[in-house]
Amino acid sequence: GENVEQHPSTLSVQEGDSAVIKCTYSDSASNYFPWYKQELGKGPQLIIDIRSNVGEKKDQRIAVTLNKTAKHFSLHITETQPEDSAVYFCAASIGAAGNKLTFGGGTRVLVKP
Amino acid sequence: DGGITQSPKYLFRKEGQNVTLSCEQNLNHDAMYWYRQDPGQGLRLIYYSQIVNDFQKGDIAEGYSVSREKKESFPLTVTSAQKNPTAFYLCASSIGGTGMSDTIYFGEGSWLTVV
Repeated sequence: GENVEQHPSTLSVQEGDSAVIKCTYSDSASNYFPWYKQELGKGPQLIIDIRSNVGEKKDQRIAVTLNKTAKHFSLHITETQPEDSAVYFCAASIGAAGNKLTFGGGTRVLVKP
Repeated sequence: DGGITQSPKYLFRKEGQNVTLSCEQNLNHDAMYWYRQDPGQGLRLIYYSQIVNDFQKGDIAEGYSVSREKKESFPLTVTSAQKNPTAFYLCASSIGGTGMSDTIYFGEGSWLTVV
């Protein structure tokens, strides 16, 4: 089955700096890669996603890049703010296999004011 | 308001008891999912359902059961066979039926603790 590895597990940045989280996946058939943000005690919220026919996608301060050849994708957050502090999860799925998401282990991001 | 409602938020179970977690959605989604999250870890798929009256096991289905009698409801029963049930349980849904990956939306979760 699919395996998703996520790094780093914790990330501390100064407010205003950039944060980068990286994920690798094992199954070359995976074609959908969402990123979720989870605050303590709450359900994950989708923040951005990318499909395998696109190499990069951006939404304001958030961007995601995908390298299908290397089987890795990354989340970039620019101009970080204290409210960006949360746990971020990457995931991968194969649409034809029932839209089952396989999640990475998560990255705890702390933005220091 | 449209969304996914999980109840109860907090649940305590005694050893040997079965408990059922409720999940209701009013998004008119065909597909529904249950995930388990252990502290400091990622989410793991328990069961999923792509259509009413049909469901499939995920990666960690042992000790759990589900039903999908109505489109909007997908309850999860944690049975006494689940040896380590203490966790945060997340229900999710997506449009489904497209044969492609579509956005999965999550509820607010239910905390289950064995006492």
